[in-house]
Amino acid sequence: DAEITQSPRHKITETGRQVTLACHQTWNHNNMFWYRQDLGHGLRLIHYSYGVQDTNKGEVSDGYSVSRSNTEDLPLTLESAASSQTSVYFCASSDSRDLTYNEQFFGPGTRLTVL
Amino acid sequence: AQTVTQSQPEMSVQEAETVTLSCTYDTSENNYYLFWYKQPPSRQMILVIRQEAYKQQNATENRFSVNFQKAAKSFSLKISDSQLGDTAMYFCAFMFQGGSEKLVFGKGTKLTVNP
Repeated sequence: DAEITQSPRHKITETGRQVTLACHQTWNHNNMFWYRQDLGHGLRLIHYSYGVQDTNKGEVSDGYSVSRSNTEDLPLTLESAASSQTSVYFCASSDSRDLTYNEQFFGPGTRLTVL
Repeated sequence: AQTVTQSQPEMSVQEAETVTLSCTYDTSENNYYLFWYKQPPSRQMILVIRQEAYKQQNATENRFSVNFQKAAKSFSLKISDSQLGDTAMYFCAFMFQGGSEKLVFGKGTKLTVNP
């Protein structure tokens, strides 16, 4: 079955380290998104992509970067991890070619702790 | 910019009873989608129900229904015959139609169904 996966599921890192969170989807969706979830804030958009070589900044993009070299993957990189980036990160994908139903499908999430 | 407000941080209901979760939003757009997502303790984000703003008829999915009041910018979720498995965080979300396909989320309502 097609799916969207994230790895690792849990990560502990230290302040200042570079961290990359992986997101992989097998639906061949052109749209991919990264959100972070914090208590009291719901989910907030970090970066998103509409296709290969396309990336865009979301609401809370400072300190994060993404690259889209193929349809299936959108890795999220924290260039220099900060304690404020301790959060749960969700990847999502959707198919904009389906004009009648634009549901976003979410991965299982990655819990990141920055010490 | 669009904003989504969920004014009830926590709610509880007895099993088999009905509960309504509130959501209001602010937008100057006329064409958009509204969603309710469920996040159980497993952390997985699950789409519960979807409403197109151009449709006057309220969406229904089994025990879940919405009361969509476009003029009032209100989008409440009614859960009938509540079940223990309905215990979860519920997020209301907005998406502009024909645009970026980004979701804007409310902060969520934690619903507990008591036996």
